[in-house]
Amino acid sequence: DARVTQTPRDKVTEMGQEVTMRCQPILGHNTVFWYRQTMMQGLELLAYFRNRAPLDDSGMPKDRFSAEMPDATLATLKIQPSEPRDSAVYFCASGPGWGERETQYFGPGTRLLVL
Amino acid sequence: KNQVEQSPQSLIILEGKNCTLQCNYTVSPFSNLRWYKQDTGRGPVSLTIMTFSENTKSNGRYTATLDADTKQSSLHITASQLSDSASYICVVSAGFLSGTYKYIFGTGTRLKVLA
Repeated sequence: DARVTQTPRDKVTEMGQEVTMRCQPILGHNTVFWYRQTMMQGLELLAYFRNRAPLDDSGMPKDRFSAEMPDATLATLKIQPSEPRDSAVYFCASGPGWGERETQYFGPGTRLLVL
Repeated sequence: KNQVEQSPQSLIILEGKNCTLQCNYTVSPFSNLRWYKQDTGRGPVSLTIMTFSENTKSNGRYTATLDADTKQSSLHITASQLSDSASYICVVSAGFLSGTYKYIFGTGTRLKVLA
């Protein structure tokens, strides 16, 4: 049963520290998405990649967030420096293609708390 | 302004009963509309994806409808089960000639099914 995996599942850090979240998309999927979810804002799309190339990262605070795909099996989302307002659940999702009918498969999320 | 509004915000029903969740949107140019189910502490799971030309899509006991003229969608749950207790999120995509998409998220309907 292929699944998107994310690490770590939980992260507590202090303001100003660097945070790196990792995602392993489903093997063979060529589209990867990063989302953030908070109680106040709900779900937000931060960035997405197709064939490892960034297509859109307009949802991401550029000054502190960065997203990369070093290879087809790993996507990373970094926050440097972290701030309390970054506290949220960060989801990675992958899809088998890129089109208006493609299903996205979500990982379990990384719960981030910045103190 | 692109917006997605869901109603009701929360709903409590008895097991075995049917219910309908609503999603109204003002998104342009419309590409597709997705319904997700999100269990507490987990990532969203795709239920249905509908494009402009589709007005009904079923997934087991879940049936989504789309009226592109009135910009409304509904998710109907038949013979509810305790496992249907979750948040249901409506997401509308705007698609552009560049091949990129913008995702506009509803704030979700929290459903509780009681025995």
